[in-house]
Amino acid sequence: AQSVTQLDSQVPVFEEAPVELRCNYSSSVSVYLFWYVQYPNQGLQLLLKYLSGSTLVKGINGFEAEFNKSQTSFHLRKPSVHISDTAEYFCAVRRTDSWGKLQFGAGTQVVVTP
Amino acid sequence: DAGVIQSPRHEVTEMGQEVTLRCKPISGHDYLFWYRQTMMRGLELLIYFNNNVPIDDSGMPEDRFSAKMPNASFSTLKIQPSEPRDSAVYFCASSQFMGTDTQYFGPGTRLTVL
Repeated sequence: AQSVTQLDSQVPVFEEAPVELRCNYSSSVSVYLFWYVQYPNQGLQLLLKYLSGSTLVKGINGFEAEFNKSQTSFHLRKPSVHISDTAEYFCAVRRTDSWGKLQFGAGTQVVVTP
Repeated sequence: DAGVIQSPRHEVTEMGQEVTLRCKPISGHDYLFWYRQTMMRGLELLIYFNNNVPIDDSGMPEDRFSAKMPNASFSTLKIQPSEPRDSAVYFCASSQFMGTDTQYFGPGTRLTVL
């Protein structure tokens, strides 16, 4: 089985400041890694995903994430946030070797203030 | 495409009543997922279908919950009888493939059982 740990439940940040959301995973086999965002009163939408290849993945809205296999991490970053980035962010993993389910972390609430 | 469509968006019912949630996946998507989101348990996968066939229902909490997919463009999640602890936001998602593919989420149904 695999598991996902999001180390911060809430991250307050000022507008135009950088933000990093931490995600660690555990799995006995290779995994695919995803970051989803949930804006208030909406469903989740994909920000980015790591499948293979370059460990630095760029997504929508200026977000990027780096896959670190040795540290089993997939941290999400944005160099300068906007008020509109206020949302909940979910890290998720899925095994590469089966029809495995997408396993979500508990989520990190990002609150951007002026 | 209109995206994943869910109805109703909000449902308030009394304990013991039957509740039916509806989902229309994105056309051409072969996989359909039902999730439940609560503060306590986060985002949980309840069941998923492939080509209208239920593949894994191990996340369905108990026999009061049932899900069907009579055709490629419609699925229901039914709770009978409903209980207050079923109060949550229920999401439907669809994807074209499993594995590497992105899941597209609907806006969710907020269920309140009094």
